[in-house]
Amino acid sequence: AIQMTQSPSSLSASVGDTVTITCRASQGIRNDLGWYQQRPGKAPQLLIYAASSLQSGVPSRFSGTGSGTDFTLTISSLQPEDFATYYCLQDYNYPRTFGQGTKLEIK
Amino acid sequence: EEQVVESGGGLVQPGGSLRLSCATSGFTLSGYWMTWVRQAPGKGLEWVANINRDGSQSNYVNSVKGRFTISRDNAKNSLFLQMNSLRAEDTAVYYCARDVTHSDISGHYFDAFDTWGQGTMVTVSS
Repeated sequence: AIQMTQSPSSLSASVGDTVTITCRASQGIRNDLGWYQQRPGKAPQLLIYAASSLQSGVPSRFSGTGSGTDFTLTISSLQPEDFATYYCLQDYNYPRTFGQGTKLEIK
Repeated sequence: EEQVVESGGGLVQPGGSLRLSCATSGFTLSGYWMTWVRQAPGKGLEWVANINRDGSQSNYVNSVKGRFTISRDNAKNSLFLQMNSLRAEDTAVYYCARDVTHSDISGHYFDAFDTWGQGTMVTVSS
């Protein structure tokens, strides 16, 4: 199975900051990658699919880049509701695999 | 409003069985692949299984192959996960998710789990 490694595992930032989360695949996955946000006690929500396509209704401060093995999720001008855990997910092959998650906390 | 609602979770002994259901509404189930994702307490997300639109194709994570079966009844707007030979490590919240499978101009498809339920808790313990 393809291993997805996120960094950092946790991150502290302030409202208004810009942060970047990285996801690395153990092999090339083209641009077959999505990003999900999960707030405590809630179901995940789709942010980005196909590495860089913004899901309808998701604020434009979220953006994704990358292809092959290295991907990034950037959140600009952090808002209070953005403090959550973020996961990448490869859909290049089966089984689909998530990264271990990046917890974004308020500084 | 497009919605999925999971049910059927509970406490079961190791080696036991449980059948999860996912009731869908607000969209035509037959138009979508569907997926189960789980999350052990305090842990990250794990993709479990998916099924194609007519139920003729399914895929599983290795740890549940031969024990879990995903199925669907499009006429009843429902998705299922039959879980047999349950183990302690299957303890998790199980989420049902709709996959809209976006495609690019070359016809390549991308998963996009755009609608999730609130999850149902499965606890495997004696």
